[in-house]
Amino acid sequence: TQLLEQSPQFLSIQEGENLTVYCNSSSVFSSLQWYRQEPGEGPVLLVTVVTGGEVKKLKRLTFQFGDARKDSSLHITAAQPGDTGLYLCAGALGSNYKLTFGKGTLLTVNP
Amino acid sequence: NAGVMQNPRHLVRRRGQEARLRCSPMKGHSHVYWYRQLPEEGLKFMVYLQKENIIDESGMPKERFSAEFPKEGPSILRIQQVVRGDSAAYFCASSPPSGSRETQYFGPGTRLLVL
Repeated sequence: TQLLEQSPQFLSIQEGENLTVYCNSSSVFSSLQWYRQEPGEGPVLLVTVVTGGEVKKLKRLTFQFGDARKDSSLHITAAQPGDTGLYLCAGALGSNYKLTFGKGTLLTVNP
Repeated sequence: NAGVMQNPRHLVRRRGQEARLRCSPMKGHSHVYWYRQLPEEGLKFMVYLQKENIIDESGMPKERFSAEFPKEGPSILRIQQVVRGDSAAYFCASSPPSGSRETQYFGPGTRLLVL
């Protein structure tokens, strides 16, 4: 059983389009992190959200933490080929150091 | 300001050999975590260490696997008598001594292939 479910699993879009990917759980997390991972590399931290309902913006990326702290979404505006990668969500459950990861959403942005 | 460093980036071992994976945390970071990413699976927590202490090794297999973070030098993840099922990407992460341990910065990983 996957504690963090990410959807969609795969997403292929054209440059300039908007998209949203989701991270859902039935458990309450003290925080959620979003990472982007490129082939052959490690995950790169994009953001940490802590407060229920919190919204954080990072240029064209908008992250939202659900009110109940069970889910999160990542919205990308005007996607670019450089946004291509595997987007991972991770959360701390109970202990604040043992991160649980979803399997990720593999995003491809075609020029 | 170098990030988390791991070496080797790729490691090939035959069954029964030993694998040693090294991790140098970000400068000033004193918490180190190891995760394993198996094909088609998400990253899974293995062990959490501070200098000279293993804090939580609940995610690490009981046999053949060990980890250390000595007073001087990098953290080492050691796998003895490797088997094909050990083939995976092993990632190290670090976090600063104060602040949230949930915010972890990852290295590029070591891809272990067991023949």
